[in-house]
Amino acid sequence: AQRVTQPEKLLSVFKGAPVELKCNYSYSGSPELFWYVQYSRQRLQLLLRHISRESIKGFTADLNKGETSFHLKKPFAQEEDSAMYYCALTPSGGYQKVTFGTGTKLQVIP
Amino acid sequence: NAGVTQTPKFQVLKTGQSMTLQCAQDMNHEYMSWYRQDPGMGLRLIHYSVGAGITDQGEVPNGYNVSRSTTEDFPLRLLSAAPSQTSVYFCASSPRTGTYGYTFGSGTRLTVV
Repeated sequence: AQRVTQPEKLLSVFKGAPVELKCNYSYSGSPELFWYVQYSRQRLQLLLRHISRESIKGFTADLNKGETSFHLKKPFAQEEDSAMYYCALTPSGGYQKVTFGTGTKLQVIP
Repeated sequence: NAGVTQTPKFQVLKTGQSMTLQCAQDMNHEYMSWYRQDPGMGLRLIHYSVGAGITDQGEVPNGYNVSRSTTEDFPLRLLSAAPSQTSVYFCASSPRTGTYGYTFGSGTRLTVV
C-alpha cells in the first residue's frame, strides 16, 4: 500500500526565513511525487513534480529514495506563500491512484 | 478552455436526501477522480475513473456512486445523505499517466443537516 506522511499540521516562519515542509512516503515500487498548494478558499494547484526537477515560485523539492522523502524547500519565505501544502504520490506507469498527505499549513509571519 | 468545472459550489442537504455533484472537464483527460477534503485528514479518494465506462473505488466509497458515460463528465451521486458526508468535494482530472499531475475543480462545499 502507498502512504504519504506530512508530520507537521502547521509550520510558522518569519518572512525571509527558510522554509522546509516535510513529506515522507511509503511505497515499495517506483513512485512519482508531487506538491500541491491551496491558497485560502481556492482550488488545489499543482506546484511541483519531482520528475521535472523544476523550481516554481522559488520552491524546490528533491526526491530522496534512501530516506523516502520529498521535502519542499524555499530559501526565503514570502507572505504570499501562506497556504496549505499537500504532498502526493502515485505509482509510476499509467493508471494509478494518487494518495495525498494530510497537508501542512504554512503561515508566514510578516 | 475552462479546465475542470464543478457545480454547485455550495449545497445544503437534509439527512436522507440524495443529490448529484457535477464535474466536467474539457481537456480530453482520461483519468478523473473525486476526493473529499476534511480538516486534519487531507484529501481522501472516493472514486476514480481511468476512462469512459470504467470506474473503481477509492478509500472512502461508501454512500457514493459514480458513472462515466463520456470522457468529459464524471458525476458523483450521494445516495442518502448523512451528516458524516459534510465536507468539501473536489473533482480532479489528469492525462493518461499520473506524471503530469492533477487539474482540480474549484470544489463543492456540502453541508448535511
